[in-house]
Amino acid sequence: EAGVTQFPSHSVIEKGQTVTLRCDPISGHDNLYWYRRVMGKEIKFLLHFVKESKQDESGMPNNRFLAERTGGTYSTLKVQPAELEDSGVYFCASSLPGQALYEQYFGPGTRLTVT
Amino acid sequence: AQSVSQHNHHVILSEAASLELGCNYSYGGTVNLFWYVQYPGQHLQLLLKYFSGDPLVKGIKGFEAEFIKSKFSFNLRKPSVQWSDTAEYFCAVHDKAAGNKLTFGGGTRVLVKP
Repeated sequence: EAGVTQFPSHSVIEKGQTVTLRCDPISGHDNLYWYRRVMGKEIKFLLHFVKESKQDESGMPNNRFLAERTGGTYSTLKVQPAELEDSGVYFCASSLPGQALYEQYFGPGTRLTVT
Repeated sequence: AQSVSQHNHHVILSEAASLELGCNYSYGGTVNLFWYVQYPGQHLQLLLKYFSGDPLVKGIKGFEAEFIKSKFSFNLRKPSVQWSDTAEYFCAVHDKAAGNKLTFGGGTRVLVKP
């Protein structure tokens, strides 16, 4: 079974540019999550999709971040325009419904560097 | 605000030593508890989890953790570490009243010297 995949693995952009991160969850996982780890800090929740619907976006830092999951499969997270403080590792996770809902499988992360 | 605290940021020990990593959380309600591990160059993977039942849970690779509700703690232990246990370890809590998100501690980097 393929795991959660994320693209790109690394991205270096200049302040003010736009970057789009992609996450492909495990097949059949309706739940998809985005998390972020800023260097030296804890991993923080950004948002949660159930299929194509945003279930919880309480962790999104501001309106420069836009997440989508059209069709309920893969998801994208766009940062526009990027700021220096957006640098960090962006993790995607997915899970099945039911009791297994709470066991989240993580992707390798995208390391974003804004210069 | 809800929070998860891991007591140590860095731990260095020798092979065969015992390991205990502390984790405390601030929630008062029903929680699910997790330890994740990230080996160098790899993605986060689940080490063990507690949902209910026996508060002593056993995970992969000889790890175990004990849920002590009265202390709001979920400490991770391994009696004898190996060099391959070098990794970063994360405690995470799911608060059932706060949706499906996980709240993570700051992580503990463990270096096992051969």
